[in-house]
Amino acid sequence: EVQLVESGGGLVKPGGSLRLSCAASGFTFSKTWMNWVRQAPGKGLEWVGRIKSKTDGGTTDYAAPVKGRFTISRDDSKNTLYLQMNSLKTEDTAVYYCANGGQDAWGQGTLVTVSS
Amino acid sequence: DVVMTQSPLSLPVILGQPASISCRSSQSLLHSDGNTYLNWFQQRPGQSPRRLFYKVSNRDSGVPDRFSGSGSGTDFTLKISRVEAEDVGVYYCMQGTHWPLYTFGQGTKLEIK
Repeated sequence: EVQLVESGGGLVKPGGSLRLSCAASGFTFSKTWMNWVRQAPGKGLEWVGRIKSKTDGGTTDYAAPVKGRFTISRDDSKNTLYLQMNSLKTEDTAVYYCANGGQDAWGQGTLVTVSS
Repeated sequence: DVVMTQSPLSLPVILGQPASISCRSSQSLLHSDGNTYLNWFQQRPGQSPRRLFYKVSNRDSGVPDRFSGSGSGTDFTLKISRVEAEDVGVYYCMQGTHWPLYTFGQGTKLEIK
């Protein structure tokens, strides 16, 4: 069974940093492109970024609102996806989901609250 | 940027009746590789999103056949032939053809009237 489990969310002050993790199981993680998607409270879905598999170059792409502040990485030896979030803003407050490349598998999400 | 526009944003439906959600894109979603990267997602209250269809009309495993996806170019539709109580939630279309890589519609909230 495919499972994605996010962790690392919490309360952080504006300008602060946070690192989210997504533990994957039930599929060949190393061969899978992975996404981060977020959802602000009461709002819709917003794609954050993607990382390709290492065999496909391991490159990353980001949505404009987070480019230069967020970094996606992966540790295939640990079957884990990461989202490093720096220079956080109040508008980054959201539930952050990891999803596989085709978005047919999603985690349960982890809440990030940016507030002073 | 490609803009995805859904309508209606709120959809009250009587149990057993049909429902239809429209999704329009500001540019054609036909990719140069011949595919149209338009997905539909369902998000039930308190749950994570779940993909229902990929590439317009390919139904995901476990999705009841009362759901159907159709369309081409810039105009797409999600239909439910007979709404059941478990269908309550928010439905999103999403394009994967143009940059920004993935763009979602605003969401359509389906509720039972």
